[in-house]
Amino acid sequence: AQKITQTQPGMFVQEKEAVTLDCTYDTSDPSYGLFWYKQPSSGEMIFLIYQGSYDQQNATEGRYSLNFQKARKSANLVISASQLGDSAMYFCAMSWGSSNTGKLIFGQGTTLQVKP
Amino acid sequence: DTAVSQTPKYLVTQMGNDKSIKCEQNLGHDTMYWYKQDSKKFLKIMFSYNNKELIINETVPNRFSPKSPDKAHLNLHINSLELGDSAVYFCASSQVRTVFYEQYFGPGTRLTVT
Repeated sequence: AQKITQTQPGMFVQEKEAVTLDCTYDTSDPSYGLFWYKQPSSGEMIFLIYQGSYDQQNATEGRYSLNFQKARKSANLVISASQLGDSAMYFCAMSWGSSNTGKLIFGQGTTLQVKP
Repeated sequence: DTAVSQTPKYLVTQMGNDKSIKCEQNLGHDTMYWYKQDSKKFLKIMFSYNNKELIINETVPNRFSPKSPDKAHLNLHINSLELGDSAVYFCASSQVRTVFYEQYFGPGTRLTVT
């Protein structure tokens, strides 16, 4: 069965520093996609970054990058130069399968607090 | 221009009532979803429709009934509301193809059952 695990319930980072949020996944399907979403205190879910299982390079989107280690089944999110507005809950998610239904499963989330 | 919208944003009701949440997307996506986020912030998919056809139906009580009048709308009707139904319900949409596409979420509907 597919599974997403985020082992850090909460993280602190100093403003302007980089932070890594951990995510491990489990699937036997060779075709899958990994996503990160941000949920600020206002409640909306904001898509940040995507990594496909066949992608050769790690995904990057502005200050966000995904450290994809396929053999270790990890897809950690790296936020560079943290800003106060990065304080939020972050979810790792996965979709899988050649007959892609779009179904996403989510990890438990990590709450990030950026200190001034 | 809101991409995925939900109404209402807040819904407070008593046990036993029936309520509906509406969702609309203007992104031209062919697939829409309902997710439930519980009090511990855990997100779980409930349903998915692709071009008005139900393609995902997780183990959700049959008191929950999704309805998709067209591919831009996916409504959620809940009968005989129970205390445990209190949660935030998110609608989302995406374009589903052979590759994986991100899902865009609505603002959520916070349902409180008293």
